[in-house]
Amino acid sequence: GDSVTQMEGPVTLSEEAFLTINCTYTATGYPSLFWYVQYPGEGLQLLLKATKADDKGSNKGFEATYRKETTSFHLEKGSVQVSDSAVYFCALLNTGGFKTIFGAGTRLFVKA
Amino acid sequence: GAVVSQHPSWVICKSGTSVKIECRSLDFQATTMFWYRQFPKQSLMLMATSNEGSKATYEQGVEKDKFLINHASLTLSTLTVTSAHPEDSSFYICSARGSGAGYSNQPQHFGDGTRLSIL
Repeated sequence: GDSVTQMEGPVTLSEEAFLTINCTYTATGYPSLFWYVQYPGEGLQLLLKATKADDKGSNKGFEATYRKETTSFHLEKGSVQVSDSAVYFCALLNTGGFKTIFGAGTRLFVKA
Repeated sequence: GAVVSQHPSWVICKSGTSVKIECRSLDFQATTMFWYRQFPKQSLMLMATSNEGSKATYEQGVEKDKFLINHASLTLSTLTVTSAHPEDSSFYICSARGSGAGYSNQPQHFGDGTRLSIL
C-alpha cells in the first residue's frame, strides 16, 4: 500500500543554518504530495504542496520539489529561524484517493 | 485560506462522563471529515472518516461505540467520547477536505486540536 517515510528526528540546528528534511514515498499512480507543520499544542497547518512531477511547492522560505524518479519530496529552507521549531509531516494523497497518508513526523529544534 | 474550527480546545472531566468535540469548516463545504488521535511526540493516528449524511468508517481497532461520530451537515462533524476513562486522555484533531472541482487533489485542513484529560 501507499506509504511515506521521513527522516527520524529530532533535528537540531542553529539559527540561520540550512535545513533538509528527507521524505520518500511509495505509491501507485500519481499522488499529490504535501508538507504540514505542527507547532506545539496546535493542529496541523498546510505548509506547501505539489500535485505533479517536477512541481516545486514553496511557502515561508520552505521549498520541496516533487521528484518522481527518486520518489522523494524533501523539505528545504536556506536559513532557519527559532520560530521554525515545530514538527513537520510529509504526506501523500493518491489519485482518486480518499485518505491522506502521513509520515511519522520530524521534530525540528532551532537554537538561537 | 480554508479554516477549520475545533471546539473545545481543552477539556478536563471526570472518569465516566461523555465529552463532545465539534469540528466546523468555516468557509467551505466539507464532504469528508477525518478524526485523528495523537499521542505525545507521535504521529497522527486516523480514527475514523465521516461523510456527510452517512455512517462513519472506523479504522481497525477503534471502538465505534466508544467514539461516536456524527456528520450532520457539510460544515459540522462531532466526535463524542462516551464513558471516558483516563486511557482516553489524548490530543484529538479533526480535519476536513472540501468538495467540488479538483477535489481529489485538495489537501486536508486541520483544526487546532482538543486536548482531553480524564481524571
